[in-house]
Amino acid sequence: ELKVEQNPLFLSMQEGKNYTIYCNYSTTSDRLYWYRQDPGKSLESLFVLLSNGAVKQEGRLMASLDTKARLSTLHITAAVHDLSATYFCAVDIPPQGGSEKLVFGKGTKLTVNP
Amino acid sequence: DAGVIQSPRHEVTEMGQEVTLRCKPISGHNSLFWYRQTMMRGLELLIYFNNNVPIDDSGMPEDRFSAKMPNASFSTLKIQPSEPRDSAVYFCASSFWGSGANVLTFGAGSRLTVL
Repeated sequence: ELKVEQNPLFLSMQEGKNYTIYCNYSTTSDRLYWYRQDPGKSLESLFVLLSNGAVKQEGRLMASLDTKARLSTLHITAAVHDLSATYFCAVDIPPQGGSEKLVFGKGTKLTVNP
Repeated sequence: DAGVIQSPRHEVTEMGQEVTLRCKPISGHNSLFWYRQTMMRGLELLIYFNNNVPIDDSGMPEDRFSAKMPNASFSTLKIQPSEPRDSAVYFCASSFWGSGANVLTFGAGSRLTVL
């Protein structure tokens, strides 16, 4: 059974600081996704990482994927309050019946304090 | 496109009642997923469909849960009878399988409270 583990689960940080969220997974996969969820809202896609060494950046967020280590990181640079949200990573299970299913980590709740 | 549409947005019911949640995926998407989110268990995949066919229902908690997708534009998740432990937010998501990436678009969710 595929396991996706994120750490930390809770992160409180000061504005302007840098930090990294880690996502480990237990089976071979070269597809990893990051989503953001604001309180009481739905999930929105942030990044799609489709190969070993893939790196994507959007504003103060940068995601990377190391498929050999089965590890993805989400790096936050110079955090601002607007980044406060819960961040999920999700991994594809290899296709069955012509489709794939995503298994999500438990999420990292990020709070950025002024 | 209006995105993935779920109804109802909120449902409060009493234990033992039947609950039906509805989902309209994005037009052209061929995969549909039902997830359940709780504080304790996080985001759990209940079932997913590809081209209206159920592919994996191993996440469905028990026989009280059932899901159907009679056509490409509609799916239901039914709980009968409902129990307090079913209280959660239920998300429907859709994607286009075959595009090289399985990027899910989520609906707004249906918040279920079973008293």
